[in-house]
Amino acid sequence: ELKVEQNPLFLSMQEGKNYTIYCNYSTTSDRLYWYRQDPGKSLESLFVLLSNGAVKQEGRLMASLDTKARLSTLHITAAVHDLSATYFCAVDIVTNAGKSTFGDGTTLTVKP
Amino acid sequence: KAGVTQTPRYLIKTRGQQVTLSCSPISGHRSVSWYQQTPGQGLQFLFEYFSETQRNKGNFPGRFSGRQFSNSRSEMNVSTLELGDSALYLCASSLAEGFRDEQFFGPGTRLTVL
Repeated sequence: ELKVEQNPLFLSMQEGKNYTIYCNYSTTSDRLYWYRQDPGKSLESLFVLLSNGAVKQEGRLMASLDTKARLSTLHITAAVHDLSATYFCAVDIVTNAGKSTFGDGTTLTVKP
Repeated sequence: KAGVTQTPRYLIKTRGQQVTLSCSPISGHRSVSWYQQTPGQGLQFLFEYFSETQRNKGNFPGRFSGRQFSNSRSEMNVSTLELGDSALYLCASSLAEGFRDEQFFGPGTRLTVL
């Protein structure tokens, strides 16, 4: 059974600092997603990573994928308060049609 | 292009009742997946439908069921509601033609069981 582990689960940062969220998964995957969720809201897609070595950046967020290590990272650069949210990674396996397996989420709080 | 829509957005039911939630995917998307999100269990996959057929099912009791119509709209039904069914129910749609494509989530239905 595919397992997805995120760490840390809770992260409190000062504005302007950098930090990395890690996502490990247990079996070969076909796609890895990063989502953002604000309290009481739905999931907003941030990145879709398809191949080994994939790197995508949007603003202060950068995601990368190492399929050999079964590891994805979400790097936050110079955090600002607006980045406070819960971040989820999710993994797809093509033989498991329509099902994404999610990590437990990382709740990020950025303090001034 | 309109996004994924879910109705109703909020629902309050009592134990033992049943409930039906609706999801309209993005136009042209043929796959609809349903997820349950609770503070204790996180995001858990319920089932996925593609072209009116259930292709995949998560580990939920038979009280949870779903269907998909020819226009790709999907409904999920929960019978004999329990307190633990209180959750945010999310649906997601994708093109999913032969392989998983990026999925887009709807705003969710917040179900409260009293």
